[in-house]
Amino acid sequence: DAKTTQPPSMDCAEGRAANLPCNHSTISGNEYVYWYRQIHSQGPQYIIHGLKNNETNEMASLIITEDRKSSTLILPHATLRDTAVYYCIVKAFGNEKLTFGTGTRLTIIP
Amino acid sequence: DADVTQTPRNRITKTGKRIMLECSQTKGHDRMYWYRQDPGLGLQLIYYSFDVKDINKGEISDGYSVSRQAQAKFSLSLESAIPNQTALYFCATSDRRLADSTDTQYFGPGTRLTVL
Repeated sequence: DAKTTQPPSMDCAEGRAANLPCNHSTISGNEYVYWYRQIHSQGPQYIIHGLKNNETNEMASLIITEDRKSSTLILPHATLRDTAVYYCIVKAFGNEKLTFGTGTRLTIIP
Repeated sequence: DADVTQTPRNRITKTGKRIMLECSQTKGHDRMYWYRQDPGLGLQLIYYSFDVKDINKGEISDGYSVSRQAQAKFSLSLESAIPNQTALYFCATSDRRLADSTDTQYFGPGTRLTVL
């Protein structure tokens, strides 16, 4: 699976949009971009995933660049409960392993 | 996710003891996984199972064994616990959908294991 690069930490004001970047320049054509988050020491929580089109669900939006070498997770109206470590993972369908890097620690500021 | 439960939630044991961590799921998924997480690091895959007759090693299976007693139950055992197995342990299930080529994993709340 392709390697991902994320900033180690970010801050965002409560109520504003949080934009979390991820670089995956070696991504292959059959690899999806997944986002998970982990609040404190709880189990990781699935957020969203995509292949090449932008995606939106009730939690977030995922913007993938046309060349697929980077993506951005957008939390439209961040709340204090969104404070967590966010993991960007690139994985091919059929590969059982989710490779978690060190992620981005997002802190929402009141 | 309440659909994936783990017991115990916390456990302190001594070096050399045998310990079993249990995972149950009500999501009806075929695939189940065990991961460990060390402080400040990402998760590492220990074992995974496609069904009750199909068990596969992950990237760090040494020192661990698993049992898939039923579709809904997947247990992780440490036959002789050692201090460097002190970690957070997570169970997960996977909903693989061929229709749209996605397989999302859903995690339990974790077990904090301390080996003295």
